[in-house]
Amino acid sequence: EAQVTQNPRYLITVTGKKLTVTCSQNMNHEYMSWYRQDPGLGLRQIYYSMNVEVTDKGDVPEGYKVSRKEKRNFPLILESPSPNQTSLYFCASSDRGIYEQYFGPGTRLTVT
Amino acid sequence: GESVGLHLPTLSVQEGDNSIINCAYSNSASDYFIWYKQESGKGPQFIIDIRSNMDKRQGQRVTVLLNKTVKHLSLQIAATQPGDSAVYFCAERDPHMRFGAGTRLTVKP
Repeated sequence: EAQVTQNPRYLITVTGKKLTVTCSQNMNHEYMSWYRQDPGLGLRQIYYSMNVEVTDKGDVPEGYKVSRKEKRNFPLILESPSPNQTSLYFCASSDRGIYEQYFGPGTRLTVT
Repeated sequence: GESVGLHLPTLSVQEGDNSIINCAYSNSASDYFIWYKQESGKGPQFIIDIRSNMDKRQGQRVTVLLNKTVKHLSLQIAATQPGDSAVYFCAERDPHMRFGAGTRLTVKP
């Protein structure tokens, strides 16, 4: 089954404790992206990757890092999480550049 | 319509009626648009897309209309069903995808 998976689905952590949210897709997609979704706001792009070893900042990259060492994986790293990073995070991928994207189920992160 | 803020616009319709959800996009140079459906606890799901060189596209029970003059996009759902209850939002490519906040559709049985 074609899908985008994210882990963990739920995470509660404390300020400053480094964490990684994994994202994996099995569709051989070149393009992958991370978004955050906050109440009443649209999805906002954090980082994206056009292909392996090619990443770039989206609209809200501060406090986040990403890497793309393999085509299927695109982890999101929070080196020192802060409460304003409490949000719902989605990973997405697409196979034709920035067109229809397939989204993962989301990761709900709470930073206390 | 789309709104940025703490509360999503809402639309409540009776089962079997047609629904129209509106979206105002921001960039007149945007060349591609998508409508997504997001059910509670799930990721957004693609519904239908349209390129800027078109003004109408139909899918199964859904139609998207694009009015570039006023930068307006609408999603029409025919014979709305309870399973259509969700948040719907549009996205424009300018060249990165930019998403609206969404409209919550509630279908009353």
